[in-house]
Amino acid sequence: GESVGLHLPTLSVQEGDNSIINCAYSNSASDYFIWYKQESGKGPQFIIDIRSNMDKRQGQRVTVLLNKTVKHLSLQIAATQPGDSAVYFCAEPSSGYSSASKIIFGSGTRLSIRP
Amino acid sequence: NAGVMQNPRHLVRRRGQEARLRCSPMKGHSHVYWYRQLPEEGLKFMVYLQKENIIDESGMPKERFSAEFPKEGPSILRIQQVVRGDSAAYFCASSPRGDQPQHFGDGTRLSIL
Repeated sequence: GESVGLHLPTLSVQEGDNSIINCAYSNSASDYFIWYKQESGKGPQFIIDIRSNMDKRQGQRVTVLLNKTVKHLSLQIAATQPGDSAVYFCAEPSSGYSSASKIIFGSGTRLSIRP
Repeated sequence: NAGVMQNPRHLVRRRGQEARLRCSPMKGHSHVYWYRQLPEEGLKFMVYLQKENIIDESGMPKERFSAEFPKEGPSILRIQQVVRGDSAAYFCASSPRGDQPQHFGDGTRLSIL
């Protein structure tokens, strides 16, 4: 089935600390995941993606980890900054990688930064 | 290279009126997707179009909602006889090919009085 989610609804982090946002999925056949960042009043912005043949992928200040055994992925943000305040969604295409299809979004985690 | 452009950004309608939401995809993108977002929720897929064709409309309500992506011009999401429950943010995304990441516009916030 199509299911991505089980986020914590909110996460508060001290500025400069690392943030870890978690996401679980239910379909063991899922082969591609995307993390989006949505700032207030804006549309979702692509951050990073990962295919199921990988267990880790790094970008600029962000790392996504994929654990297929427990069907869990996480987004790690290093040295969190005020500009990282947003809602973060994990998502997956309904038909997997290499397929044109709708994206299934989780319910999101709101990240807030303490000064 | 301009991003996905949606207009209007805010739209207010009275119950029973029609709402037209426009989306211009990024240059070179021929795949368009519409999503709806209620407050404090994730985006929910509505419809996927390529030029002049509806590919997947499994998320569209059966009545009052329609979408098109003509050969020339923007994609249009049309809601007839709007009701209070249609109040939401409507986002459009585009991609150059189906297997490429979708890029989102900043949405149209629809409010129904």
